Amino acid sequence: AQKVTQAQTEISVVEKEDVTLDCVYETRDTTYYLFWYKQPPSGELVFLIRRNSFDEQNEISGRYSWNFQKSTSSFNFTITASQVVDSAVYFCALIGEQDNAGKSTFGDGTTLTVKP
Amino acid sequence: EPEVTQTPSHQVTQMGQEVILRCVPISNHLYFYWYRQILGQKVEFLVSFYNNEISEKSEIFDDQFSVERPDGSNFTLKIRSTKLEDSAMYFCASGQIGNQPQHFGDGTRLSIL
Repeated sequence: AQKVTQAQTEISVVEKEDVTLDCVYETRDTTYYLFWYKQPPSGELVFLIRRNSFDEQNEISGRYSWNFQKSTSSFNFTITASQVVDSAVYFCALIGEQDNAGKSTFGDGTTLTVKP
Repeated sequence: EPEVTQTPSHQVTQMGQEVILRCVPISNHLYFYWYRQILGQKVEFLVSFYNNEISEKSEIFDDQFSVERPDGSNFTLKIRSTKLEDSAMYFCASGQIGNQPQHFGDGTRLSIL
């Protein structure tokens, strides 16, 4: 069985602070895929990043960066110099290699509030 | 950029009524999905559909639910006799390959009265 844990239910920061959202996963698959999605107050799911299990290189995209560590089964997401528009619920998700149908297992989400 | 489109954006239905949620996946995608998100909770997998049949379904997807791809472009989710606990946001998603990022629609908010 696969599981994604986002231990932080809610985080509140002041604008321009850096913030890290944690994601820990469990899977028996040796090949798997990790994702982050953003869900703004309007409700849609916005894809942010996909990472393969065999690629542990960290990635940076503007103010966003991701730290993938297989040794700790973590795929953490950092927003640098946060802005009010970053306020949203963020979900981490996992698809295992054995799951040819591509079923995504989501974490419970972390609600990020960025205050001006 | 191609999008997954869902209609309606909001559906209000009386308990016990049938409801059909509609989705138009991205045209060259082969895998189709429905997910559900009860208000304030996480996104839960309902069903995946490939090659005109269900690939996998969750325990949520009981006999009250069905999916169909009636005409090669639409992908529908039918709830035969709605219950209060079916109130949720329903997301359709599509993908080219099973392990690739899924493109999500904006969701249909279903309210059962």
